[in-house]
Amino acid sequence: QLQLQESGPGLVKPSETLSLTCTVSGGSISSSSYYWGWIRQPPGKGLEWIGSIYYSGSTYYNPSLKSRVTISVDTSKNQFSLKLSSVTAADTAVYYCARQVTMVRGDNWFDPWGQGTLVTVSS
Amino acid sequence: QSVLTQPPSVSGAPGQRVTISCTGSSSNIGAGYDVHWYQQLPGTAPKLLIYGNSNRPSGVPDRFSGSKSGTSASLAITGLQAEDEADYYCQSYDSSLSGSSVFGGGTKLTVL
Repeated sequence: QLQLQESGPGLVKPSETLSLTCTVSGGSISSSSYYWGWIRQPPGKGLEWIGSIYYSGSTYYNPSLKSRVTISVDTSKNQFSLKLSSVTAADTAVYYCARQVTMVRGDNWFDPWGQGTLVTVSS
Repeated sequence: QSVLTQPPSVSGAPGQRVTISCTGSSSNIGAGYDVHWYQQLPGTAPKLLIYGNSNRPSGVPDRFSGSKSGTSASLAITGLQAEDEADYYCQSYDSSLSGSSVFGGGTKLTVL
């Protein structure tokens, strides 16, 4: 079955760029009808959608993070990646990647999810 | 402040029925966009529980059900079991936020 796995540094310094990669296995990232998304969860808090990408490279981002976020896709490696610039302690969170089932009108949901990776922003 | 509003906590005894509400606005749930629900067991990633307001993915027990009316949605859990103790999140699409996916703040379910 489809599985997603996040990877990347667990510690990032303030003002630097957070970089994570999500590797998709058991299916193709180039499947139609699916976007691929990043969601984060600060310790003890709720979920926040960061942004999503289609296999063609089309992206859309959370307006509150848009100025700092870049999501890219590498179909040859079946991977997509997240870059978040100018990080602060407020960006400390568990970062999840997930497949995003997307309907024509905009309705969408996330399934399945990766296990998540904790990224701490600290000097 | 989440775009979708959920109660911070609910509780119930084993075997009872509990409901979790999710209140939105005219740009998301009220605009007719679907509501989806996730269960997050302690220390694990969220898992899709209900999609499209009331549909259960394969493997989700029929003790879990969802509904939607107006600007709100609800998740109902019947025959409460100890393993249902978890955080529950609702999610929808918001047309006023550049097509954002929005989540509720989450509800902690405690099985007494």
